[in-house]
Amino acid sequence: KAGVTQTPRYLIKTRGQQVTLSCSPISGHRSVSWYQQTPGQGLQFLFEYFSETQRNKGNFPGRFSGRQFSNSRSEMNVSTLELGDSALYLCASSTGEDWEKLFFGSGTQLSVL
Amino acid sequence: GENVEQHPSTLSVQEGDSAVIKCTYSDSASNYFPWYKQELGKRPQLIIDIRSNVGEKKDQRIAVTLNKTAKHFSLHITETQPEDSAVYFCAAFMFSGGYNKLIFGAGTRLAVHP
Repeated sequence: KAGVTQTPRYLIKTRGQQVTLSCSPISGHRSVSWYQQTPGQGLQFLFEYFSETQRNKGNFPGRFSGRQFSNSRSEMNVSTLELGDSALYLCASSTGEDWEKLFFGSGTQLSVL
Repeated sequence: GENVEQHPSTLSVQEGDSAVIKCTYSDSASNYFPWYKQELGKRPQLIIDIRSNVGEKKDQRIAVTLNKTAKHFSLHITETQPEDSAVYFCAAFMFSGGYNKLIFGAGTRLAVHP
């Protein structure tokens, strides 16, 4: 079974731009969660999608948004990028019933210049 | 509030020794506590988890204990090996602000020296 796939692996953007990250979950998994990982803040929960609906969310501003498609693939969008948005963005999938048991992708390393 | 504190932030042990990492959580209703291992440049991987209806769980050289009254849980690694070197994250599943969330500790960097 293929694991969680995230694209792209690396991204470089400038302040004010927007960015879209993609995540393909493990086959059969219906829940996708997104996390921001930084050296100073650790792993911070962004949101979780299940059956194309945002089911849970963290404490990030509205510039961070996401969506999920009917095939469970998910995208995360960050608008009006700030320097502080530089981080590793990890997505994780789960079956949905035990959505808290997460299987992580390798992440997208975003650098904002 | 939603908070998971993890100690120590760094831990250095000799090969063969034991390592213990401790976490405390804020929400007494939390009922699921996983541990993740993240090797340098790799994805976090679930190594063991425990639910609030049990006090201890073992899987070969690793074990997790949970004290619900004190709201803390610990990871124990026995007979450490160099390949155990990684950053370990604890987490607690909690309900906060109207949403379910998995809140992570800040991580412990474990170094096992041959």
